[in-house]
Amino acid sequence: EDQVTQSPEALRLQEGESSSLNCSYTVSGLRGLFWYRQDPGKGPEFLFTLYSAGEEKEKERLKATLTKKESFLHITAPKPEDSATYLCAVQRGRTGGSYIPTFGRGTSLIVHP
Amino acid sequence: SQTIHQWPATLVQPVGSPLSLECTVEGTSNPNLYWYRQAAGRGLQLLFYSVGIGQISSEVPQNLSASRPQDRQFILSSKKLLLSDSGFYLCAWIGRGRSGNTIYFGEGSWLTVV
Repeated sequence: EDQVTQSPEALRLQEGESSSLNCSYTVSGLRGLFWYRQDPGKGPEFLFTLYSAGEEKEKERLKATLTKKESFLHITAPKPEDSATYLCAVQRGRTGGSYIPTFGRGTSLIVHP
Repeated sequence: SQTIHQWPATLVQPVGSPLSLECTVEGTSNPNLYWYRQAAGRGLQLLFYSVGIGQISSEVPQNLSASRPQDRQFILSSKKLLLSDSGFYLCAWIGRGRSGNTIYFGEGSWLTVV
């Protein structure tokens, strides 16, 4: 069974204080690892897909990295508008084309001005 | 570009009343469609998915049902709501663009059963 564990559950940072969110996973035959941002009361917004160990992707102050067991979402010099819940999900190749990902419970990030 | 619409955004329903949440996708054909429920502190729970018209797979036995009457339409229903059905419901679809098989979500529907 695929498993995704995100840590910490909650993180409070001061504006400009860089940090990382962790996503540990267990999956047979990783097809992709996804990161999403979710604001309160809204649907998750897609950020990145990572496909293989060693891959990195960046978007503004966010950088996602991937190893064979975990992924990190690095936040450099965060701003209050980066406050949100960040979700990680893994997807493995399945027969039948269902492509269902397994989600973690998320990390709630609050950035104080 | 592809978009996903979900409605209603918010609803308050009494226990025992019926439910219908609707989701449509534009700008693509034959998408995989999904219904998730998100309860506070419990993450995303997959309820149903569909790989084509009339094809529904249920992940969790419960008081809800789903239907796909058209290629880009996905409906979540209940004949009699329970208090435990309260939550945030999300419709989603698979995009097969440059990002591979990425799931994209709608804005969600808040359901409160009273």
